[in-house]
Amino acid sequence: SQQGEEDPQALSIQEGENATMNCSYKTSINNLQWYRQNSGRGLVHLILIRSNEREKHSGRLRVTLDTSKKSSSLLITASRAADTASYFCATAASYYGNKLVFGAGTILRVKS
Amino acid sequence: NAGVTQTPKFRVLKTGQSMTLLCAQDMNHEYMYWYRQDPGMGLRLIHYSVGEGTTAKGEVPDGYNVSRLKKQNFLLGLESAAPSQTSVYFCASSYELFYSNQPQHFGDGTRLSIL
Repeated sequence: SQQGEEDPQALSIQEGENATMNCSYKTSINNLQWYRQNSGRGLVHLILIRSNEREKHSGRLRVTLDTSKKSSSLLITASRAADTASYFCATAASYYGNKLVFGAGTILRVKS
Repeated sequence: NAGVTQTPKFRVLKTGQSMTLLCAQDMNHEYMYWYRQDPGMGLRLIHYSVGEGTTAKGEVPDGYNVSRLKKQNFLLGLESAAPSQTSVYFCASSYELFYSNQPQHFGDGTRLSIL
């Protein structure tokens, strides 16, 4: 896998359902960040989780980090049509000079 | 506050033409970045700047030049545009550099087509 690879590539759910997106990476990291991108817009930062943290919450968002498996997940609970967007994980790792490396993203569609 | 503003929003160029993309931020951020986004790929870093008067190469710098004459502005130049540079370009800024626990703030992008 590449550094910061999201799974699935696309996800379609009904409004009210939960959406889970996963991110895998190859090297040890300093932090992992999740961003949202609405169609035709720039990326918006959602949440940052440090390498020594296992879980963070922000509103309807829950992010987990498993450094032993080199993976993270983003859970959006009680999804809304407005959550329709692309979601990207980005990792900051010493191996890459601590530059943010972005995955290709998960396209989420929430149907109303 | 406007945050990060990019101009222009759209542009069509012919192969060999030159142009400059402008990025302005009003958050007094020290660090600024230029990325390109291509279909099916994550953002790739072109160049970045750690402060006024400084620039550094990112992952895909070839064919681009940058300048940071003022803290709030970061310019991306294409000297001789090529079709491979057709992409969406994003500027971002942050209070601290990369790995520190601060997010990056993005503009809405410039959609550039090279014919």
